[in-house]
Amino acid sequence: AQSVAQPEDQVNVAEGNPLTVKCTYSVSGNPYLFWYVQYPNRGLQFLLKYITGDNLVKGSYGFEAEFNKSQTSFHLKKPSALVSDSALYFCAVRDLHRGGGGNKLTFGTGTQLKVEL
Amino acid sequence: GAGVSQSPRYKVAKRGQDVALRCDPISGHVSLFWYQQALGQGPEFLTYFQNEAQLDKSGLPSDRFFAERPEGSVSTLKIQRTQQEDSAVYLCASSLDGGVGANVLTFGAGSRLTVL
Repeated sequence: AQSVAQPEDQVNVAEGNPLTVKCTYSVSGNPYLFWYVQYPNRGLQFLLKYITGDNLVKGSYGFEAEFNKSQTSFHLKKPSALVSDSALYFCAVRDLHRGGGGNKLTFGTGTQLKVEL
Repeated sequence: GAGVSQSPRYKVAKRGQDVALRCDPISGHVSLFWYQQALGQGPEFLTYFQNEAQLDKSGLPSDRFFAERPEGSVSTLKIQRTQQEDSAVYLCASSLDGGVGANVLTFGAGSRLTVL
């Protein structure tokens, strides 16, 4: 079975500082990995994905994520945080192994990011 | 439409009532997913359609939950005899591809169900 862990319920960072939101995953085969962001009363919005190739993936709004196969991690990063980045962030995985998760994404429990002035 | 539309946005039901939640996916999107998001939790998979075929319903929590997509576009999630533990936000998402692609899901804003 596929699973995702987001060990931090909340991350606080000062505006202008770098931010990291952690994610680790477990799959039987090779993973597709995703980050989504959720603003209050709005649907989840896609940020970026890792399929194959370069381990550093760049996405929307200056976010990037680094795939680390040996550590089974896919941490979300941004070099300089903005107050407007404050939101709920979800990591998700899809297991490509036959008989794995099928076509569905499995989401983590989410990490609330708070960026303060 | 430009996005995934869900209705109603808010629904209050008395315990034991039946409810129906509607999802209008992006036109032409092959795949449609339903997720349940409890307060403070991540979305939990309920069911998946490829066109009108329901290919995976492994996440439906009980036989009180039923979903359909009869013409391969609009989908309805029905919950019979609602219980308090059904209170959650129900998210619908669609994606263009129907195969094994790295499907990027477009989510609707959700239907918040409160069962009293």
